[in-house]
Amino acid sequence: ILNVEQSPQSLHVQEGDSTNFTCSFPSSNFYALHWYRWETAKSPEALFVMTLNGDEKKKGRISATLNTKEGYSYLYIKGSQPEDSATYLCASNTGKLIFGQGTTLQVKP
Amino acid sequence: EPEVTQTPSHQVTQMGQEVILRCVPISNHLYFYWYRQILGQKVEFLVSFYNNEISEKSEIFDDQFSVERPDGSNFTLKIRSTKLEDSAMYFCASKLGSIYGYTFGSGTRLTVV
Repeated sequence: ILNVEQSPQSLHVQEGDSTNFTCSFPSSNFYALHWYRWETAKSPEALFVMTLNGDEKKKGRISATLNTKEGYSYLYIKGSQPEDSATYLCASNTGKLIFGQGTTLQVKP
Repeated sequence: EPEVTQTPSHQVTQMGQEVILRCVPISNHLYFYWYRQILGQKVEFLVSFYNNEISEKSEIFDDQFSVERPDGSNFTLKIRSTKLEDSAMYFCASKLGSIYGYTFGSGTRLTVV
């Protein structure tokens, strides 16, 4: 059974802090790793789709890295802002998405 | 930016009743999905749909569930006889092709009482 795990489950940081979360996934039969940002009552918003080992992607203050050999991805947020408060989901794509449980980030002003 | 729209945003139904959750995927997308999240649990895959047929379904997607794309626009999930444990947030998603990212709707919160 494919199991995707995220840590930490929740995180509270001060505005301006940089932070990172981890997503681990089975490295066998890897196809792609997706990151989503999900605010309550809104659609999960696609951040990154990553496929290549060593891949690094960036979108503004948010970046992500991928290690397919050891089965992990990191999401980094530089200089967190209150509007970054959300749940960050990763999912392994094996033809369907297998999600982790999410990391809920709360950024205090 | 194109969106996946879901209606209703919240539905309350009595146990044993049939419900239909509606989704309008992005118009040129070819792959369609339903996922759900029971409160406090992971988002989990239900079913994928391509070329007017189910391409994959999970163990959750038993005989009480069905999907339809009746008019080339809407993509519906029907639960024939709802159970308390069907209470969850149901998400519809679509994508253009197999290598593309998914676009999710904002979900329908189903509460079975």
